[in-house]
Amino acid sequence: GQQLNQSPQSMFIQEGEDVSMNCTSSSIFNTWLWYKQDPGEGPVLLIALYKAGELTSNGRLTAQFGITRKDSFLNISASIPSDVGIYFCAGPRYSGGGADGLTFGKGTHLIIQP
Amino acid sequence: DAMVIQNPRYQVTQFGKPVTLSCSQTLNHNVMYWYQQKSSQAPKLLFHYYDKDFNNEADTPDNFQSRRPNTSFCFLDIRSPGLGDAAMYLCATGGRFTDTQYFGPGTRLTVL
Repeated sequence: GQQLNQSPQSMFIQEGEDVSMNCTSSSIFNTWLWYKQDPGEGPVLLIALYKAGELTSNGRLTAQFGITRKDSFLNISASIPSDVGIYFCAGPRYSGGGADGLTFGKGTHLIIQP
Repeated sequence: DAMVIQNPRYQVTQFGKPVTLSCSQTLNHNVMYWYQQKSSQAPKLLFHYYDKDFNNEADTPDNFQSRRPNTSFCFLDIRSPGLGDAAMYLCATGGRFTDTQYFGPGTRLTVL
């Protein structure tokens, strides 16, 4: 089945630094989704990408859908303490009946050092 | 404002004692999903409903069942919880032909 390889697994950064993480897949995705999960909470959708080459921003977050449709990256500029959490990339699965669930990367754990 | 609501947020049960987790939505989405998330892992799909059509993942244990009495509500029943079923259970909703899914806050299940 489809697998998403997300890296890095964890990041230790200083407040104010920029962050970059990425996801790659051996198969094509038509949509890339980026979620953030705080401890003890459900994932929250940050950015959805629908078109190869698309570059989308949401405040300090920027994400791109790779041209090959097999990769995506997420950048966070000028990190702040509330950016701490786990970031997941995800891509939808389909069956003949429609959307079938999400395949997730393993997550990038972002830790901000004071 | 809450769009996907899960109750309870924390559930403690005993080994082998049936438990039911609840999810409701105000988005009127026709697809509802249940995921299991263990510590330091990504969410893993258990099953989903297209309207009233139930779709089970091949590797979901028989111990896990689900009910969807109407568009707004979906339940996860664990018939005989084992220690390995302790996890965060996430409910999500989406449109049948749309890609984005919206998650609830989750229910943290502890099995004693």
